[in-house]
Amino acid sequence: QQQVKQSPQSLIVQKGGISIINCAYENTAFDYFPWYQQFPGKGPALLIAIRPDVSEKKEGRFTISFNKSAKQFSLHIMDSQPGDSATYFCAASKGNYQLIWGAGTKLIIKP
Amino acid sequence: GAGVSQSPSNKVTEKGKDVELRCDPISGHTALYWYRQSLGQGLEFLIYFQGNSAPDKSGLPSDRFSAERTGGSVSTLTIQRTQQEDSAVYLCASSFWGDSTEAFFGQGTRLTVV
Repeated sequence: QQQVKQSPQSLIVQKGGISIINCAYENTAFDYFPWYQQFPGKGPALLIAIRPDVSEKKEGRFTISFNKSAKQFSLHIMDSQPGDSATYFCAASKGNYQLIWGAGTKLIIKP
Repeated sequence: GAGVSQSPSNKVTEKGKDVELRCDPISGHTALYWYRQSLGQGLEFLIYFQGNSAPDKSGLPSDRFSAERTGGSVSTLTIQRTQQEDSAVYLCASSFWGDSTEAFFGQGTRLTVV
């Protein structure tokens, strides 16, 4: 019940295309859903996050879509650029601090 | 410093030896976390420190793992009698007020046990 399942494991998208990464959770008590971006040799960095009282949040080219009834949330990267190539992690938390992480998606944007 | 600093960045050790990994959090951050990241996996929570409160050690995988935080700042993660399955990247993060969703991560220590 604590798991966060992320898919796909890897993704190749052409420059200018839309990258979509999906996550599913089981614990309905989760109340915060962030996405982190990690470049090789670096620690993860917070990209965008959403709470379950909204169905969508957009920041620039990055959008989180949240479906509370299906217990799913996804990251959309519009107009994907080579600089977006990284590993993306979804996560979920309940209350304060214990984030439960997805396994990650390695995204490659082809020029 | 400007960010979370971890040392060493890489560590190769022989099976059975003890290792110490160091984390210097962002100045003023009261919360500090250790995570482990295995190849192709997400982040596994290890331990959490918040101010002077007792740490949450619920994620430590065995009694070979321990961590301390001196003076509410620098933290050391110690792994005794290392095993090959301990090989991973160990990440430290810090934040204000214990809100890990706004935590800032260090670059990690890549530990290889041979």
